Amino acid sequence: GNSVTQMEGPVTLSEEAFLTINCTYTATGYPSLFWYVQYPGEGLQLLLKATKADDKGSNKGFEATYRKETTSFHLEKGSVQVSDSAVYFCALTRNSGNTPLVFGKGTRLSVIA
Amino acid sequence: GAVVSQHPSWVICKSGTSVKIECRSLDFQATTMFWYRQFPKQSLMLMATSNEGSKATYEQGVEKDKFLINHASLTLSTLTVTSAHPEDSSFYICSARDPSAGMNTEAFFGQGTRLTVV
Repeated sequence: GNSVTQMEGPVTLSEEAFLTINCTYTATGYPSLFWYVQYPGEGLQLLLKATKADDKGSNKGFEATYRKETTSFHLEKGSVQVSDSAVYFCALTRNSGNTPLVFGKGTRLSVIA
Repeated sequence: GAVVSQHPSWVICKSGTSVKIECRSLDFQATTMFWYRQFPKQSLMLMATSNEGSKATYEQGVEKDKFLINHASLTLSTLTVTSAHPEDSSFYICSARDPSAGMNTEAFFGQGTRLTVV
């Protein structure tokens, strides 16, 4: 079946450090891939997405590239800020509007000044 | 982008009472909505898929008589936690995808509801 595996946290970084959160997936066909962010006490917000192999999603300085050969969609940011502290979820869709996304377990990021 | 609104954002209720949580799609019609539960510092657990005009589909281990789902219109799904107990205290989140936007679309999430049963 479809599944998403992402690195376990928590991850603690100093401000301006480089961030990588690993995400790999198992899926049949060609899923779309997403990164969501959840700030404390809030729902999930879409951070970025990629719908086909070699696509790069980017937003707010975050990037992730859809790598079919390694079935990965790692999240990166060159210089994190305290405001980036949140939980990050990797997810995939089975390309149907009536099915839920499949989520990884989430990675908690804490950025300290 | 599409917006999903969830209400209330938090609620405190007494043990044994019922609580209703609403989830609305504000600018698209959602024939299907999804309800999740999230425990502190844990991932999302899919509880059920809400289908407009038909019965909800519950995930294994979720009590359908405990968590009543109604999807009476294309823009509204409700989750009612019946006879709530302290162990039902959790963060509940709804989600929907816009089927008119194509096959590879993201899901949109409500703001979440923090339920505390005392």
